[in-house]
Amino acid sequence: ELKVEQNPLFLSMQEGKNYTIYCNYSTTSDRLYWYRQDPGKSLESLFVLLSNGAVKQEGRLMASLDTKARLSTLHITAAVHDLSATYFCAPDPRGGSEKLVFGKGTKLTVNP
Amino acid sequence: GAVVSQHPSWVICKSGTSVKIECRSLDFQATTMFWYRQFPKQSLMLMATSNEGSKATYEQGVEKDKFLINHASLTLSTLTVTSAHPEDSSFYICSASYQGMGGYTFGSGTRLTVV
Repeated sequence: ELKVEQNPLFLSMQEGKNYTIYCNYSTTSDRLYWYRQDPGKSLESLFVLLSNGAVKQEGRLMASLDTKARLSTLHITAAVHDLSATYFCAPDPRGGSEKLVFGKGTKLTVNP
Repeated sequence: GAVVSQHPSWVICKSGTSVKIECRSLDFQATTMFWYRQFPKQSLMLMATSNEGSKATYEQGVEKDKFLINHASLTLSTLTVTSAHPEDSSFYICSASYQGMGGYTFGSGTRLTVV
């Protein structure tokens, strides 16, 4: 059974600082997704990582995937308040055809 | 592309009544849809997987007679919460896989409050 571990679960940081969220998973998976969730809202897709070594960047966020280590990272550069949200990772061992198992989420709070 | 429309966004119902939530894929055919439930400050938990034209597959611990799922067409899946109780109050989210996009798309969610 696939297990997904995110850490930290809670992250409070100041604007302008950098930090990394980690996502470890237990079963071989060539794909992994990162999502953002704002309070009271559904999931918003951030990144789709489709292969080992994949790196994608959007604004102040950068995600990477190491399938051999079964590890994905979400790096935040020069955080701003608008990035405050909960971030979820979800590996996809079956390539987009079966259910996703999510990590517990990382609640990020960026303070002025 | 790959949009899933979910309705209603929120609903309040009395204990003992039933509530239907709809998810429609607007610009693609969703062979498989997934229904998740999310309690406050928790992650998403899969309730069931629905495949067009066949019975849904429920996760362990989810009452299939209480949470009725119908996926009668390639663009519509519904979740009916029957005889709702306050403990069924939660945020329900549907999702569909979209091969062309290489990922999954999510509905906007339904906040159910049972009073």
